[in-house]
Amino acid sequence: DQQVKQNSPSLSVQEGRISILNCDYTNSMFDYFLWYKKYPAEGPTFLISISSIKDKNEDGRFTVFLNKSAKHLSLHIVPSQPGDSAVYFCAASGLTNAGGTSYGKLTFGQGTILTVHP
Amino acid sequence: DGGITQSPKYLFRKEGQNVTLSCEQNLNHDAMYWYRQDPGQGLRLIYYSQIVNDFQKGDIAEGYSVSREKKESFPLTVTSAQKNPTAFYLCASSKMLGRGTGELFFGEGSRLTVL
Repeated sequence: DQQVKQNSPSLSVQEGRISILNCDYTNSMFDYFLWYKKYPAEGPTFLISISSIKDKNEDGRFTVFLNKSAKHLSLHIVPSQPGDSAVYFCAASGLTNAGGTSYGKLTFGQGTILTVHP
Repeated sequence: DGGITQSPKYLFRKEGQNVTLSCEQNLNHDAMYWYRQDPGQGLRLIYYSQIVNDFQKGDIAEGYSVSREKKESFPLTVTSAQKNPTAFYLCASSKMLGRGTGELFFGEGSRLTVL
């Protein structure tokens, strides 16, 4: 059961334009969401996060939007740069059904390969 | 510099052999994790540890074992019982397993290939 889904395996964008990466989740217990960026043969690096008490978090060129009612979040990169080309993973954590917490025990989406063309 | 060091970066193993992947961190983090990445899939949690001498199974623990004898170290053993061990293994750590601390710091990964 895929609790975090990134339905677009890949996205191609022109340099300077906006990149929008999407993520859907099914577990209503998730309340903390993160985006990671990964280059080939390297570990992911943290990009930006958002708590469920917010609907937007911005950090420079990166903005994450959260729509709790739709169980959907998106990452916007503006303007996109060739160096942004990487795999982007959406991840989520929160309370568990057993009453514990799963923070740190992130559930990841499948990833979206972003290619930014010069 | 503080960080997470995984070794070896590449490892080849014959079927039926156990192999141990090393993970060391000098970030003074309490929690450590092992994830596995397969092509077209997200990272899946194998094991995690919140404190020394304690660890818990993740979603795909079968065929794996871990130990946490020191805060800085969290080695993963891929046993011969793991049916599909060829994968990219990622070790991570975080400050503590609590609300708002979901940010993980990852090592560079170890690629295991079973011949």
